[in-house]
Amino acid sequence: GAVVSQHPSRVICKSGTSVKIECRSLDFQATTMFWYRQFPKKSLMLMATSNEGSKATYEQGVEKDKFLINHASLTLSTLTVTSAHPEDSSFYICSATTLRDTGNTIYFGEGSWLTVV
Amino acid sequence: GENVEQHPSTLSVQEGDSAVIKCTYSDSASNYFPWYKQELGKGPQLIIDIRSNVGEKKDQRIAVTLNKTAKHFSLHITETQPEDSAVYFCAASKGFQKLVFGTGTRLLVSP
Repeated sequence: GAVVSQHPSRVICKSGTSVKIECRSLDFQATTMFWYRQFPKKSLMLMATSNEGSKATYEQGVEKDKFLINHASLTLSTLTVTSAHPEDSSFYICSATTLRDTGNTIYFGEGSWLTVV
Repeated sequence: GENVEQHPSTLSVQEGDSAVIKCTYSDSASNYFPWYKQELGKGPQLIIDIRSNVGEKKDQRIAVTLNKTAKHFSLHITETQPEDSAVYFCAASKGFQKLVFGTGTRLLVSP
């Protein structure tokens, strides 16, 4: 299957600082990437849809000024958590869409654990 | 919008038994139904998917069935092994639009 890489896999930051998480599609171009947040033992919650070259579309209740998403190229999207607080600690996962012969398919990255202290 | 329900929330089976996880969806326009396996601390891994133009798809020990009329789809794992233990998520989407996930099923396969 296609490979989606996230970096860093784990990050600890101090409260009030910002942290950036990268999502890369390694062997395909992704016009659309998605960012999710997952709490322990819960399902994935979509935060925003990221389209290359345009502004991200945020889900209801997600603060766009706090979770900055940039999709500057067809292989890279970044999520920046600004002025992080302990409640932002979570597992953040990205996914990317690619077109296979059977149709569009969505692959996920390995996720990034964010701990805000 | 789309709503996906998944059952059961937990499933315990003996090694070698079959496991079945069921999902229902609400939006008849959904046409893509993937299943993901998520191990602890890792991202979801696509294990099989089905599109609305087929009713069944099989890949070795894993199969997925789709009933468009009833708007439900199921994951079947045969000859389960301990390494199949994980959380499984179903999802539904329309075209390139966002995936809507089920609530997950924690599968435990005992040796």
